Amino acid sequence: SQQGEEDPQALSIQEGENATMNCSYKTSINNLQWYRQNSGRGLVHLILIRSNEREKHSGRLRVTLDTSKKSSSLLITASRAADTASYFCATDVETSGSRLTFGEGTQLTVNP
Amino acid sequence: DTAVSQTPKYLVTQMGNDKSIKCEQNLGHDTMYWYKQDSKKFLKIMFSYNNKELIINETVPNRFSPKSPDKAHLNLHINSLELGDSAVYFCASSQQGYGNTIYFGEGSWLTVV
Repeated sequence: SQQGEEDPQALSIQEGENATMNCSYKTSINNLQWYRQNSGRGLVHLILIRSNEREKHSGRLRVTLDTSKKSSSLLITASRAADTASYFCATDVETSGSRLTFGEGTQLTVNP
Repeated sequence: DTAVSQTPKYLVTQMGNDKSIKCEQNLGHDTMYWYKQDSKKFLKIMFSYNNKELIINETVPNRFSPKSPDKAHLNLHINSLELGDSAVYFCASSQQGYGNTIYFGEGSWLTVV
């Protein structure tokens, strides 16, 4: 089974609203990363949170990590139509060399 | 300048053919990867090379053979293509070691007919 599983699978909101996506994983991790994928494009790294961190911010993004629950959330505040994309969480469990295991992603649609 | 570039972007080919996808990164990274994304957008690592040495080789049919002529290039050759090989293949790179950001190419859409 997958290491990372996102919830919900799809999310549709209005511009200006906040979007929250969740990710659960099964094994201990070194870090967890969030990526965005626009339709027909490659993945773009958004933010990395290490296993000893609980919260991290980057612009309109806020990521939390709860290692006791093996879960993470990505919050996008004041969403824009340009935020429409698929969002993936990826866990890194290796001690040498990155080896990301991705979830299936959340498709976010922000309606203007 | 594109950091991780892969060609071709689109490839339509018949079953049984052999095809290659090329990848180059200009970021000076030591580690390169191939990921496969299926129709449900599920991404899975296939291979990882560090300084031209294979370090990760997932359970991938041996029809898939990566080749790294130097640390800036990692090509993927696929023999005897099958319908199930249809997917998007992403090349990526990162600095050596864990916890580093992985930079992805734009993907190569392979359709086997």
